[in-house]
Amino acid sequence: GQQLNQSPQSMFIQEGEDVSMNCTSSSIFNTWLWYKQDPGEGPVLLIALYKAGELTSNGRLTAQFGITRKDSFLNISASIPSDVGIYFCAGPLNFGNEKLTFGTGTRLTIIP
Amino acid sequence: DVKVTQSSRYLVKRTGEKVFLECVQDMDHENMFWYRQDPGLGLRLIYFSYDVKMKEKGDIPEGYSVSREKKERFSLILESASTNQTSMYLCASSSPGLVGTDTQYFGPGTRLTVL
Repeated sequence: GQQLNQSPQSMFIQEGEDVSMNCTSSSIFNTWLWYKQDPGEGPVLLIALYKAGELTSNGRLTAQFGITRKDSFLNISASIPSDVGIYFCAGPLNFGNEKLTFGTGTRLTIIP
Repeated sequence: DVKVTQSSRYLVKRTGEKVFLECVQDMDHENMFWYRQDPGLGLRLIYFSYDVKMKEKGDIPEGYSVSREKKERFSLILESASTNQTSMYLCASSSPGLVGTDTQYFGPGTRLTVL
């Protein structure tokens, strides 16, 4: 099936640094979702985006729905140790489709 | 607090065994999903159920079956486990909504090892 490509695959940063990651697809998406998976847990929804160009924040996290509708970006400002985990983008291939396609994930590690 | 629970966090089985993974949600959600998660591949959908006794194949259904006899419970069955089914299995649920796609709530996952 369709896959979403996430970049980078992994990141090693120091506490306090800002983080940027993105997700691209060859198909148009009408909704972009960003999930975070803590070690040993299931993914939890961070941010949902529903309109092209939309910019949405959740605390230190900001996500954008790309104008082309084929990409999305997630930024984390001033990273802290609890930001460690895997970040997934996801979206339905068709509007109203309950099934999601997930990205390959970006693993974030914070170096003490 | 919404909750999706999975019967086991860790499971070790032998090749050829029949394996049952159970998932229960307490949110009265119509939709339930089973995914497997492998490094570098993200989450891949195995099966999806949108109602009791209704099921739909996902992207990788081969080697798996599912059962949904009650709304709150969705079971994943490996009829004859093989080593390439060693993976993390995640269950999720959601409810159809008015705006786009609704949030999927995930369980903690079951890490299955097939020897």
